[in-house]
Amino acid sequence: QSALTQPASVSGSPGQSITISCTGTSSDVGAYNYVSWYRQHSGKAPKLLIYGVSNRPSGVSNRFSGSKSGNTASLTISGLQAEDEADYYCSSYRSSSTLWVFGGGTKLTVL
Amino acid sequence: EVQLLESGGGLVQPGGSLRLSCAASGFSFSSYAMSWVRQAPGKGLEWVSGVSDGGGSTYYGDSLEGRLTISRDNSKNTVFLQMNNLRAEDTAVYYCAKGPGGSDEFDVWGQGTMVTVSS
Repeated sequence: QSALTQPASVSGSPGQSITISCTGTSSDVGAYNYVSWYRQHSGKAPKLLIYGVSNRPSGVSNRFSGSKSGNTASLTISGLQAEDEADYYCSSYRSSSTLWVFGGGTKLTVL
Repeated sequence: EVQLLESGGGLVQPGGSLRLSCAASGFSFSSYAMSWVRQAPGKGLEWVSGVSDGGGSTYYGDSLEGRLTISRDNSKNTVFLQMNNLRAEDTAVYYCAKGPGGSDEFDVWGQGTMVTVSS
């Protein structure tokens, strides 16, 4: 069982928007603005999409946005494209012996 | 170009040991913390271990129970992960990642090296 809870799958049509949730606790997501999001295409390494809840690294499309409310963080992808079909993972710092935790991942299918 | 290149994975018997290496290039290696993150086949990501920029502080995930040692050689821009007493459940792709950074993010990832623990 993963430390952070994500839906196993989401889907959307090209051009639509989707949101992926990431639920943690008051020891991780709820306590710190240190939530990151990663995209992983099949057989490839993860790629950073969002850091610090809502910041995009240079080169990441503004179609990707992040937010947080309480113990739940969210990733929104607007204007879905075929290339967005991948697995998405959230991550957070946690005040425990395991310092960084990931969600179980969400498979995005572009219909 | 910022790049991380892992090596050292392979097939090992239960109870055996492996030493993974990650060679970094394209950034000021000694200024950044480095981590290892693993992914079992068909499963999600799991943070395994981290080391501070100077190497003086090391961190480990709960699940590894003292079987790991992370280290770095800043003169060679390389981070290492020594894994001992390996178990079947340690079978995974092991990724080297730059970070955590200022917002606890991992902003650069290597391509990964596969570790298979099997008799």
